[in-house]
Amino acid sequence: AQSVTQLGSHVSVSEGALVLLRCNYSSSVPPYLFWYVQYPNQGLQLLLKYTSAATLVKGINGFEAEFKKSETSFHLTKPSAHMSDAAEYFCAVRGNNNDMRFGAGTRLTVKP
Amino acid sequence: GAGVSQSPSNKVTEKGKDVELRCDPISGHTALYWYRQSLGQGLEFLIYFQGNSAPDKSGLPSDRFSAERTGGSVSTLTIQRTQQEDSAVYLCASSLGGGPHNEQFFGPGTRLTVL
Repeated sequence: AQSVTQLGSHVSVSEGALVLLRCNYSSSVPPYLFWYVQYPNQGLQLLLKYTSAATLVKGINGFEAEFKKSETSFHLTKPSAHMSDAAEYFCAVRGNNNDMRFGAGTRLTVKP
Repeated sequence: GAGVSQSPSNKVTEKGKDVELRCDPISGHTALYWYRQSLGQGLEFLIYFQGNSAPDKSGLPSDRFSAERTGGSVSTLTIQRTQQEDSAVYLCASSLGGGPHNEQFFGPGTRLTVL
């Protein structure tokens, strides 16, 4: 069965600093991996997805993620944090039934 | 263009009452999913509809939960005899197809509070 684990329920960075949100996956088949962002009182918005075409995936708002099979990881990064990046971020893997299996989420706080 | 819409946005009900939550997927999307987002449980898959196939109900937590999708479009999630632990945000998503590479587009959710 497919699953993901997000390391760190809360991450705090200063504006302009590197953002690194960690996600490790478990899958018996080549995984389809996703990162979603949820702003307060809003629905989930897709940031980026990995579908085996390229290991480094670029998404919206300057975010990117690298698929590392040897580490079973799909960490999300952004070189320079903006105040507007404050939100909750969810890593997800597509399940056998095409459902989305989400991690517990990481709340990102950006300090001025 | 119109995204996934859900209604109501907020629902407060008393324990033991039935509730119906509605989802309007993006036009043309054949796949529709319901998820529940609650404190301590994160985001949980509930049910999946794909075209005219029988739905995948493997995520429904109890037989008090059911869902329909009429005409391959609008879906209704029904919770009978609501309990306080049913309080959560219920999210609906749709995608162009059921394949694993298809992006799921999420609605804003319905916040259910059971008193």
